Amino acid sequence: EPEVTQTPSHQVTQMGQEVILRCVPISNHLYFYWYRQILGQKVEFLVSFYNNEISEKSEIFDDQFSVERPDGSNFTLKIRSTKLEDSAMYFCASTGPPYEQYFGPGTRLTVT
Amino acid sequence: DAKTTQPPSMDCAEGRAANLPCNHSTISGNEYVYWYRQIHSQGPQYIIHGLKNNETNEMASLIITEDRKSSTLILPHATLRDTAVYYCIVRPALSGGYNKLIFGAGTRLAVHP
Repeated sequence: EPEVTQTPSHQVTQMGQEVILRCVPISNHLYFYWYRQILGQKVEFLVSFYNNEISEKSEIFDDQFSVERPDGSNFTLKIRSTKLEDSAMYFCASTGPPYEQYFGPGTRLTVT
Repeated sequence: DAKTTQPPSMDCAEGRAANLPCNHSTISGNEYVYWYRQIHSQGPQYIIHGLKNNETNEMASLIITEDRKSSTLILPHATLRDTAVYYCIVRPALSGGYNKLIFGAGTRLAVHP
């Protein structure tokens, strides 16, 4: 069964450093998303992406965040200058008809 | 904010049916009810969705009341592996694949031997 994959599974970085989280969506899907979950809290929507542009973004997704689909398979989330409060699980999701979202296993980001 | 209300936790004995309720009294006519679950810290997993008719798949059944203001997810024979947080989410129907999911706190289901 096709699945969304994410790398790395765990990323440790120092405050102020840039990180790139990578995702490979399901191959025939056209819509892509990033969500995050701070430990013990709800899953929060960050951004959706379609046709090579952002469809919607949340208040969390400020200028420090960016997304890119650099080629036909990868979908990345970049945080330019990480803060302690960016520590969370980051989930990538993708969807195609009939529009159930399929989530990856997540990347645990730890900012020290 | 989430448009649904769920009990924070439930218990179920292994092998018995788990019935997870959800209230969505402000649901609009074009909104579907979706159920996802999250096992430990894994990515949320799609379970089932419906508009107004009852639905069944290999994982679960979804019962939606006639007025669509509430629904129940049924796991017919719960196993220990069904221990997870279950999320009930209302979402516009097929108006675009880019509709985000808004997660609430969900129901933490504990299946015990």
